[in-house]
Amino acid sequence: GQSLEQPSEVTAVEGAIVQINCTYQTSGFYGLSWYQQHDGGAPTFLSYNALDGLEETGRFSSFLSRSDSYGYLLLQELQMKDSASYFCAYNTDKLIFGTGTRLQVFP
Amino acid sequence: IAGITQAPTSQILAAGRRMTLRCTQDMRHNAMYWYRQDLGLGLRLIHYSNTAGTTGKGEVPDGYSVSRANTDDFPLTLASAVPSQTSVYFCASSDTPSPHEQFFGPGTRLTVL
Repeated sequence: GQSLEQPSEVTAVEGAIVQINCTYQTSGFYGLSWYQQHDGGAPTFLSYNALDGLEETGRFSSFLSRSDSYGYLLLQELQMKDSASYFCAYNTDKLIFGTGTRLQVFP
Repeated sequence: IAGITQAPTSQILAAGRRMTLRCTQDMRHNAMYWYRQDLGLGLRLIHYSNTAGTTGKGEVPDGYSVSRANTDDFPLTLASAVPSQTSVYFCASSDTPSPHEQFFGPGTRLTVL
């Protein structure tokens, strides 16, 4: 079957580092995407991993291990504005989204 | 227009009524998608179109239909709305049929009573 698992909620303080894990199960897989969604807003694309390894985009990094069917999003130097929901999504010929991780950043 | 627009922003609808949600993009993207988002269930794909003139079914297509007469527009129709279709609906587009980077519209909040 097809499935994605990610934690429902994560909390952290400003300036900290947080890692949001995502495990997946699928018969077809091209890559893993990450999206951010603020309350009341639309999802916005953050990063994509088609190959194993780490992709870095500013304070955000994303990692993929195809052999472990596992990825994570790493957020560094957390800011209050990073409080949002984060979705992993695997790419077959369409995007299949996880149920999201709500990140709350406290001062 | 910049990006993707959706209309209406919100709507309250009586069960059994027909409703069309509009979506227009000005990025000349080939692929477009409709998702619904419900609390605790993430984003679920309803229908998609890889190019004008073609459409396909997603994870939850029942009760919905779409058309893609041109590149820019991708309307979603509920032929006879039911309360379980109460949700937030997002339209999205991507530059290629490989959809890892999608651009989302602002959403339509639909309530079916």
